[in-house]
Amino acid sequence: GAGVSQSPSNKVTEKGKDVELRCDPISGHTALYWYRQSLGQGLEFLIYFQGNSAPDKSGLPSDRFSAERTGGSVSTLTIQRTQQEDSAVYLCASSLGRGVYSGNTIYFGEGSWLTVV
Amino acid sequence: GESVGLHLPTLSVQEGDNSIINCAYSNSASDYFIWYKQESGKGPQFIIDIRSNMDKRQGQRVTVLLNKTVKHLSLQIAATQPGDSAVYFCAESQKLVFGKGTKLTVNP
Repeated sequence: GAGVSQSPSNKVTEKGKDVELRCDPISGHTALYWYRQSLGQGLEFLIYFQGNSAPDKSGLPSDRFSAERTGGSVSTLTIQRTQQEDSAVYLCASSLGRGVYSGNTIYFGEGSWLTVV
Repeated sequence: GESVGLHLPTLSVQEGDNSIINCAYSNSASDYFIWYKQESGKGPQFIIDIRSNMDKRQGQRVTVLLNKTVKHLSLQIAATQPGDSAVYFCAESQKLVFGKGTKLTVNP
């Protein structure tokens, strides 16, 4: 697609329920990132994919959080047994590669706004 | 660990003035830095980047300066416009560690 697409754009869920957030990166981008942004805060790194593998999961806050990527394209971030502190904007980003200057600008989606009530 | 911070959480300028947003980083091995702009309700948007082998890079109305000696970078916006009002983030290197951002408000 033309840009990074995320769905749903908004999600209200009850505490204890599971949620799935989807990210469709820019076509051809091999690197995919998930970030979390709480209100008025910076971006908190969650996980990074290169292709379908996740060499860096260091940012996942607990074992309730998991992510997968299939076909080197779409990624799903799953939050199990949601808690109120999970309320935030979940941002996905993609790039052609990672860490090398040329052509690896990182593009963000508009985010999935999650509210846990 | 890595950290990226911004010196000021808010910055208010008059339309037409130049704006300077500062950022400090801690990882001396960082080799690539990016500035992003985030408007309310939107995802961050790439503005400009710089490699560690450069100390200055210019774009359209924006300039990024990198001082590796003191691990500091800045974003300069010339002739600031109301449309520049947003939160600006700096990010470093491969993990894209972000600071909390500086909220720029441009007064007409």
